[in-house]
Amino acid sequence: AQSVTQLGSHVSVSEGALVLLRCNYSSSVPPYLFWYVQYPNQGLQLLLKYTTGATLVKGINGFEAEFKKSETSFHLTKPSAHMSDAAEYFCAVRGSGNTPLVFGKGTRLSVIA
Amino acid sequence: GAVVSQHPSWVICKSGTSVKIECRSLDFQATTMFWYRQFPKQSLMLMATSNEGSKATYEQGVEKDKFLINHASLTLSTLTVTSAHPEDSSFYICSARWGTQVDTQYFGPGTRLTVL
Repeated sequence: AQSVTQLGSHVSVSEGALVLLRCNYSSSVPPYLFWYVQYPNQGLQLLLKYTTGATLVKGINGFEAEFKKSETSFHLTKPSAHMSDAAEYFCAVRGSGNTPLVFGKGTRLSVIA
Repeated sequence: GAVVSQHPSWVICKSGTSVKIECRSLDFQATTMFWYRQFPKQSLMLMATSNEGSKATYEQGVEKDKFLINHASLTLSTLTVTSAHPEDSSFYICSARWGTQVDTQYFGPGTRLTVL
């Protein structure tokens, strides 16, 4: 079974500051890891994903995440926050085959001008 | 990328009535569809998984008689909330996938259900 834990339900950063959203996973099989963003009253948009290969994954809107097997982590970062980054961010994991995504509880990112 | 639509985007109904939510994959054939429920300021909780032409598999704690799921074709799945009550008010999100490859799961925009 797979699960993810997102540390911090709410993160607040200043515009231009580093964004760091934490995600740790638990998986009995090699995991596939995802970060999604959700704007108010909207569905989910895929930011980036790790499947195999390079452990540093670059996504849209300047976000990236690094898969660290030794730490069972997949933290999301962005060097410089923008006001438009304010949203809810979900980390998700799934195994191979026809298995569904399992989501973390989400982290709300606020960006202060 | 692939597009998944949901209809309606929001619905308000009276307690005791039934509501049907449609999920369509617009430009691909979805062999599997997932239905998630999201409470305010909370994560997405998987309700059920459905494969085209077969019965849905419900997660533990989800009432299959209350949340009827039909996946009659490769492009359409419906979720019917029967005899809705205020506690069923939530944001329902569908997701569609073709095949079993990792990155082929796409999400609809969600349906906001409010039961008065």
